Amino acid sequence: EPEVTQTPSHQVTQMGQEVILRCVPISNHLYFYWYRQILGQKVEFLVSFYNNEISEKSEIFDDQFSVERPDGSNFTLKIRSTKLEDSAMYFCASSVVGELFFGEGSRLTVL
Amino acid sequence: TQLLEQSPQFLSIQEGENLTVYCNSSSVFSSLQWYRQEPGEGPVLLVTVVTGGEVKKLKRLTFQFGDARKDSSLHITAAQPGDTGLYLCAGVFYSSASKIIFGSGTRLSIRP
Repeated sequence: EPEVTQTPSHQVTQMGQEVILRCVPISNHLYFYWYRQILGQKVEFLVSFYNNEISEKSEIFDDQFSVERPDGSNFTLKIRSTKLEDSAMYFCASSVVGELFFGEGSRLTVL
Repeated sequence: TQLLEQSPQFLSIQEGENLTVYCNSSSVFSSLQWYRQEPGEGPVLLVTVVTGGEVKKLKRLTFQFGDARKDSSLHITAAQPGDTGLYLCAGVFYSSASKIIFGSGTRLSIRP
């Protein structure tokens, strides 16, 4: 069964460092998303991406965040200068028509 | 700000009992989805409801979309320990079709 894959599963970084989280969406899906979930809290929308550009973004997705689809298969989330409060589980999702298929997540720990 | 409120936040019941979880908003949805999330994993889609008043059944789970498309409920009949998990509703709003917003979640625990 097709699935969304994310790497790394866990990354530990120092505050101020750049982090890139990678996702391989399901191959025939057209919409790509990043969500984050701080431990014990709700799943928060960050950004959606369609036709090689950002469709929607939340107020969380500020200038420190960027997304790319560099090679037609990978979908990346970059955090330029990490803060302590960026520690969270980051989920990638993809969809054909709005029903989200999630990856297993990347746990980011900022020290 | 578009908000989805879920209630209750936590629910712990005995195996075999019935329960209902609610999802409410002041906004109108074009569609609403229910997901279940296990610890350390991503949410998994259970169902999508699209039409106001729609009822969908998935084995012991019954999902209802409110007539006004602002609310939804999930009813579980004869709960089993395997139903334990975090249940999330997610709404697609007419104004932002590619911005799918999640509710605060209901953490369900079924005691054997």
